[in-house]
This record gives sequence, structure tokens and C-alpha cells, in this order.
Amino acid sequence: DAEITQSPRHKITETGRQVTLACHQTWNHNNMFWYRQDLGHGLRLIHYSYGVQDTNKGEVSDGYSVSRSNTEDLPLTLESAASSQTSVYFCASSEGDSEQFFGPGTRLTVL
Amino acid sequence: DQQVKQNSPSLSVQEGRISILNCDYTNSMFDYFLWYKKYPAEGPTFLISISSIKDKNEDGRFTVFLNKSAKHLSLHIVPSQPGDSAVYFCAASSRRSGGFKTIFGAGTRLFVKA
Repeated sequence: DAEITQSPRHKITETGRQVTLACHQTWNHNNMFWYRQDLGHGLRLIHYSYGVQDTNKGEVSDGYSVSRSNTEDLPLTLESAASSQTSVYFCASSEGDSEQFFGPGTRLTVL
Repeated sequence: DQQVKQNSPSLSVQEGRISILNCDYTNSMFDYFLWYKKYPAEGPTFLISISSIKDKNEDGRFTVFLNKSAKHLSLHIVPSQPGDSAVYFCAASSRRSGGFKTIFGAGTRLFVKA
């Protein structure tokens, strides 16, 4: 069955370190998204991609970057982790304008 | 500025009764609306959607109503079951703009008491 996976599921890191969160989907979807979920804010869009070599900034993109070298993967990199980036991160994919399929999430703690 | 607002952080309902979750939006360009359900430690899952050309969409126990003039939509769950206890996110997108971005509300936590 097609799926979308995220790794690691839990990560603890220190302020200033570079961190990369992986997202892999086997739906063969062109669209992929990264969100962060924080209490009182719901899901906020960090970056998104509509296809290979395409990346776009979302509403909370500062301090984050993504790259899309193939259809299946959209890794999210925190260049220099900050305590404000402690959050739960969700990756999602979709085809066209249909609903999005979400991964299980990565809980990131920055100490 | 939140374009999609869910003003009730939580809602408690008795099993068998109706649950009504509300959502307001401000951007008149939104033309497609979705509800997602999220259990703890899992990703959100799609529940039901509605296009702006409709005012109602039904799927089993779930019905979404859209009032475009009021920029308001609601999700009705009848009858409510304990397994419906979860966080519900309202979301909106603009298909007319040609993009596939979706804006999410802050979520409403539903408790269904047995």
C-alpha cells in the first residue's frame, strides 16, 4: 500500500545544530508540504513543492530549507536549530488539488 | 492574521447527540473547504470536503454546511460516538488561484462522553 513516512519520529537536539527531518512518500504525488503544529496555531505551512526541483516558502519558512531532488522525498533542514523550533512537524503529499495525505509526524525538541 | 478561524478550542458532547464544529474564514478567494481529523500521535486524516458551488455535503454521519455570505462552515456529526473524540481541523484552499496550498485553522478538540 502507498504511504507517507517520516523519520525520525522523535528527535532531541541542541541549539545551533543543523537538523534534517526526512519525509518519504510512495503515492507518486507531485505536491509535498511541510507543516509545524503548535498549540493555538494549528498547522502552519513551512515549505512546499509542486514537483522535482520546485520549492516554495510558506508562512513560517524562516530558519528552514527544503530540497526536492526526486518525487518521493522532501527533506526539511533546520540550518541552526532554535528553541522556538521545538514543535511537532508533519509532512503531507497530494495530487493536484485533492486532499492531502499526512505522515505520522516528528516531535522535535531543541534544548 | 488568521484566515481560517476555529474559535472553540474544545467541545464536549454526550454519545448519541449531535456534535457541531464551527469554522470562519476571511479570504473570499477560498473556494474549497476541508475537514481533517487528528488522533494523538498520528497525522491528520481527511474527513470530508465541500466546494464553494455547494452549500451542503454529506458522508454517512458527517455533514458539512457552507454559508458563503457569512464566510462560515460547520461540521455536523450525528450521532456522535466515543471514537469521534479527536482534534478536528478546518482547512481552506483557493483552486481558482491555481495553487494547492491549504490554510488550516487552529483546531477544535472534541470529547464524546459515553
